[in-house]
Amino acid sequence: SQELEQSPQSLIVQEGKNLTINCTSSKTLYGLYWYKQKYGEGLIFLMMLQKGGEEKSHEKITAKLDEKKQQSSLHITASQPSHAGIYLCGADIGAGGTSYGKLTFGQGTILTVHP
Amino acid sequence: EAGVAQSPRYKIIEKRQSVAFWCNPISGHATLYWYQQILGQGPKLLIQFQNNGVVDDSQLPKDRFSAERLKGVDSTLKIQPAKLEDSAVYLCASSLDQGTRGYTFGSGTRLTVV
Repeated sequence: SQELEQSPQSLIVQEGKNLTINCTSSKTLYGLYWYKQKYGEGLIFLMMLQKGGEEKSHEKITAKLDEKKQQSSLHITASQPSHAGIYLCGADIGAGGTSYGKLTFGQGTILTVHP
Repeated sequence: EAGVAQSPRYKIIEKRQSVAFWCNPISGHATLYWYQQILGQGPKLLIQFQNNGVVDDSQLPKDRFSAERLKGVDSTLKIQPAKLEDSAVYLCASSLDQGTRGYTFGSGTRLTVV
């Protein structure tokens, strides 16, 4: 099984609708990163979360970290066509009280927003 | 500060040819990572360097892939010979010290093997 599970794998919404993407780790989280990507291109950094209960927002995108559940969610309010793309969560995971010092990624969520 | 530089941006080669990708990390970043992202999947770590030493290359297909970071600064990833399944985006990232203060990614190199 994957160390980092992302859901859903794809999402199609109507413009103006809210949506949530989840990311769950099977190991201890030392940091959780959200990225956006256009098909075949590099990663665009969105947000980094490090502490349990932490919540960050940028424009209409909010990310939260639930350390106990080893889970993060990315919420987009009033989606727009410009939000379309691939969303990736990357986690700094570890064991025995130590981070592995590298990012492990989920499978990605493909978001389509219909105008 | 300048970001992580990667070149080329795009490359198309025939199978069995060789190809090399270059990455220049952020100045002062000790840790450098190469990831392979097959389209439709999340990035997978190929190799992690700490200065000029290899920390993790457990997922690098060593029969055809090689990477070096000779002076502990820029790095080259090579594929020889390339296979169709090597078609992917190759991402380079760096961090100050194994994730300290986050990770910065380059724009990636999109490789198509025909």
